[in-house]
Amino acid sequence: QQPVQSPQAVILREGEDAVINCSSSKALYSVHWYRQKHGEAPVFLMILLKGGEQKGHEKISASFNEKKQQSSLYLTASQLSYSGTYFCGTESESGGGADGLTFGKGTHLIIQP
Amino acid sequence: SQTIHQWPATLVQPVGSPLSLECTVEGTSNPNLYWYRQAAGRGLQLLFYSVGIGQISSEVPQNLSASRPQDRQFILSSKKLLLSDSGFYLCAWRLLVGNEQFFGPGTRLTVL
Repeated sequence: QQPVQSPQAVILREGEDAVINCSSSKALYSVHWYRQKHGEAPVFLMILLKGGEQKGHEKISASFNEKKQQSSLYLTASQLSYSGTYFCGTESESGGGADGLTFGKGTHLIIQP
Repeated sequence: SQTIHQWPATLVQPVGSPLSLECTVEGTSNPNLYWYRQAAGRGLQLLFYSVGIGQISSEVPQNLSASRPQDRQFILSSKKLLLSDSGFYLCAWRLLVGNEQFFGPGTRLTVL
C-alpha cells in the first residue's frame, strides 16, 4: 500500500524551514527520500533503515519512527535549489529487499526568493 | 564509480507499435534492477524487478514485459503499445537490501 505524504504542497521563502512527512500502514524496513526537478529523474537524498542507520546527503536531515511507521524530512535554511517534488519510497519488512520501493504521491516544494 | 544509462531519452510511438527500452549499469556487478513508470504529474509505480540474469518479477499486470539478458542490462518491451503506456520510464539499480537505489535519466514515451 502506498505511503501517505504530507503536505501535498509547500511554498516557502528562501531561508525558511520545511518538514515533509511520510506515513505507512505497514511495518517498514527502510524509508528512502528523493527530490525530482521538473522533467528530470528523481535524485537520491537519504535512506533511513530500521535500527537507526542513515545514509545520505550531508545537508539534509531526516527521522524514522519505526513504531509509528513514519518518517520526516527536514529542510533547513531552504535555498532556491531545494525546489522540486519530494518523494518518499518505502520498503516493508515483509518485502525481502528485492521488491523495489513503494512511493508516495509526492510533496511539491516551491522556494521563492 | 557507478553510472546508469537509459535510451532512448525520448520516444514517440503510434498505438499498436512495438517498444524496446534499454537500461545498462556500469561500475558494479550483480545489481538488483528495477523498472518504474511515472505517469504525467503522478508518483512512481514499480513495474518489474530483477535480482539476476533471466530472473524477472512483475508487480502489476500490464501490456509490458521485461528481460535481463546480461548482468547489467535490463530491457523493457511491448508487442503492441496502448495510449495508457505513455509516461516517464525510469530504470533503477541497487546492490542489496539496505542500500541506496539510484535512478537512470529516464525515457519519456508518448504513445499517439
